[in-house]
Amino acid sequence: GAVVSQHPSRVICKSGTSVKIECRSLDFQATTMFWYRQFPKQSLMLMATSNEGSKATYEQGVEKDKFLINHASLTLSTLTVTSAHPEDSSFYICSAKAGSGNTIYFGEGSWLTVV
Amino acid sequence: AQTVTQSQPEMSVQEAETVTLSCTYDTSESNYYLFWYKQPPSRQMILVIRQEAYKQQNATENRFSVNFQKAAKSFSLKISDSQLGDTAMYFCAFMKGYGGGNQFYFGTGTSLTVIP
Repeated sequence: GAVVSQHPSRVICKSGTSVKIECRSLDFQATTMFWYRQFPKQSLMLMATSNEGSKATYEQGVEKDKFLINHASLTLSTLTVTSAHPEDSSFYICSAKAGSGNTIYFGEGSWLTVV
Repeated sequence: AQTVTQSQPEMSVQEAETVTLSCTYDTSESNYYLFWYKQPPSRQMILVIRQEAYKQQNATENRFSVNFQKAAKSFSLKISDSQLGDTAMYFCAFMKGYGGGNQFYFGTGTSLTVIP
């Protein structure tokens, strides 16, 4: 079946630095990808919708200058957390839409710890 | 705006027994999809079952079935013959129909523990 891969699965970075998380669709082209954030014991909250070749659409309350999303190809979207702070520590999950239907595949998620 | 409510933060069930997880939603859309996702400790989101709102027949996948009550905006998940591997967080989710985007609106989740 279709696979979405996230990398890295775990990352620790120092406060004030930037960190990039990749989301790849391995065997299909994803015109649209989504980034979610999940705090411990909480639900997934949509951060932004990423469309290939265009600017991402951010949900209300999400700082677009802090969470930079790039969807440069049909198989890759990246989330860059800039000037990371400890409160940015969280689990980040991407999902990708396959084709013109509504089938969505999730990545394995990435744990970010800012120290 | 769409909202999804799961009123049971935690539930437990004896192995081999049946358990029902509740979910209600609110929307003004007429065309939409409903899902149940399972999130085990690995955190990988696993699709359990999906329901198209235009279908009256309740979806079934092996031991998993739903009770979809469109007028009441209710979408409960029944797990039969519960197994230890069913222990996980379960999220109910809503997606708008065609042309409405493909983002999920998730409920707050129900933590299910299957007791041996």
